[in-house]
Amino acid sequence: DTVLTQSPALAVSPGERVTISCRASESVSTGMHWYQQKPGQQPKLLIYGASNLESGVPARFSGSGSGTDFTLTIDPVEADDTATYFCQQSWNDPRTFGGGTKLELK
Amino acid sequence: EVQLVESGGGLVQPGASLKLSCVASGFTFSDYWMSWVRQTPGKTMEWIGDIKYDGSYTNYAPSLKNRFTISRDNAKSTLYLQMSNVRSEDTATYYCTRGATYYGYNYDYWGQGVMVTVSS
Repeated sequence: DTVLTQSPALAVSPGERVTISCRASESVSTGMHWYQQKPGQQPKLLIYGASNLESGVPARFSGSGSGTDFTLTIDPVEADDTATYFCQQSWNDPRTFGGGTKLELK
Repeated sequence: EVQLVESGGGLVQPGASLKLSCVASGFTFSDYWMSWVRQTPGKTMEWIGDIKYDGSYTNYAPSLKNRFTISRDNAKSTLYLQMSNVRSEDTATYYCTRGATYYGYNYDYWGQGVMVTVSS
């Protein structure tokens, strides 16, 4: 299975730029997607196909990468962005998720 | 507004069976692939499987395919997950998701989730 590795947690101040990384154990081309999950809620799609912004998602969110290294960027970070961010790949079977990065605001 | 509402969860004994349902609204259910994804208490996310929009094809995570079955009733806009011989490691929140097949396969809408606890 394709293992997706994310840093467990990050802490940033509002107004700053934050990058959340996701590294795949093998190439997933651009079949990488990002989700935001706030406490007690279901996940929400932010980015699909590595760099495409889902409709209705603020332009503060962006994604980049291909192959094995991917980044979700939030610029600027707002207090409401406190959440866990998951990456998910769909290039290789079975589809897999990263362990999530918990973003905290200072 | 797209809505996915799961039901059928609860406390179940090891070895038992359980069937989850997901009623969809706000979109043409029969036009979309649908999937189940689960999240363990430790927050690990795991893909369970998919079903094609007409129900003619299903695809499962290899570790689950012998015990879990996904089906759908397009006339009722309802997705199902039949779980059999459940184990403690099946304890999780189960999400019904709508599949989006552009730029790969992602999940563009999620239900609120239903909790399944496997314990004696």
